[in-house]
Amino acid sequence: QVQLLESGGGVVQPGRSLRLSCAASGFTFRSFGIHWVRQAPGKGLEWVAVISYDGTNAYYAESVKGRFTISRDNSKNTLHLQMNSLRAEDTAVYYCVTTDSGSYHDGFHYWGQGTLVTVSS
Amino acid sequence: EIVLTQSPGTLSLSPGERATLSCRASQSVSSSYLAWYQQKPGQAPRLLIYGASKRATGIPDKFSGSGSGTDFTLTISRLEPEDFAVYYCQQYGSSYSFGQGTKLEIK
Repeated sequence: QVQLLESGGGVVQPGRSLRLSCAASGFTFRSFGIHWVRQAPGKGLEWVAVISYDGTNAYYAESVKGRFTISRDNSKNTLHLQMNSLRAEDTAVYYCVTTDSGSYHDGFHYWGQGTLVTVSS
Repeated sequence: EIVLTQSPGTLSLSPGERATLSCRASQSVSSSYLAWYQQKPGQAPRLLIYGASKRATGIPDKFSGSGSGTDFTLTISRLEPEDFAVYYCQQYGSSYSFGQGTKLEIK
C-alpha cells in the first residue's frame, strides 16, 4: 500500500532554513507527481508546491515562491522541501501528498501523517 | 486564483439525518476538477470525492458529490457518529486551492 512518511520538522527561528523530507513506498515513485500541502494550527489546508514525476517541473503557491524549493531523488524514493527565510506564518503541519494517477489534475488520494514546523524566536 | 467558499461554516445535525454541504467557486472549475475531503482531529485529510462525483476507493455510498461550473455539493445521507468532522472542498483545475472548511458537529 502507498506510504508517505515525512520528517525534518521542528522549531526554527524566523529567517532561518529547514529541510523537510518525505520517504515514499508502495508505488512507482518515479512515475508520480508529488505535492506538499500545509495546515497552520487550527486553520484550513493550503497547497504549497508540486513537482513533476521526473523533477523537471515545479510549481509553487505565491506565498512561498522564491523561498521554498521542492526537489526529488527518484533513486531513493524521496521528496524534499527546502524552506528558506522562514516566517511565523509558515508555522504548520506539512503533508506529503500524491494522487492515484500521477496527473496534476487529480484528487489528492494519499497523504502522509505530516510533520510540524514551528517558526518562533 | 480560484477562491472556494464553503457554506455553512458549521452545520449542527443529529445522527441519522442528512447533511448537505456547499462549495462555490469564484470562477468555473474546469472539467469538474473538484474534490471533497474529510478531516478528523489529529489526522490527515481523507479523500472522499474527486471529479465532482466519483467516490474514492473504500468510501461508502452514503457520501455523494454533485455539481459543475461554480456550484458543488457534498451530501452525506444517514449521518453516523464517525461522520462528524471537518469537510473541505478543493479545486485542481487551475493550480490548486481549498475552501475554508465546514465543521459538521453533533446537535
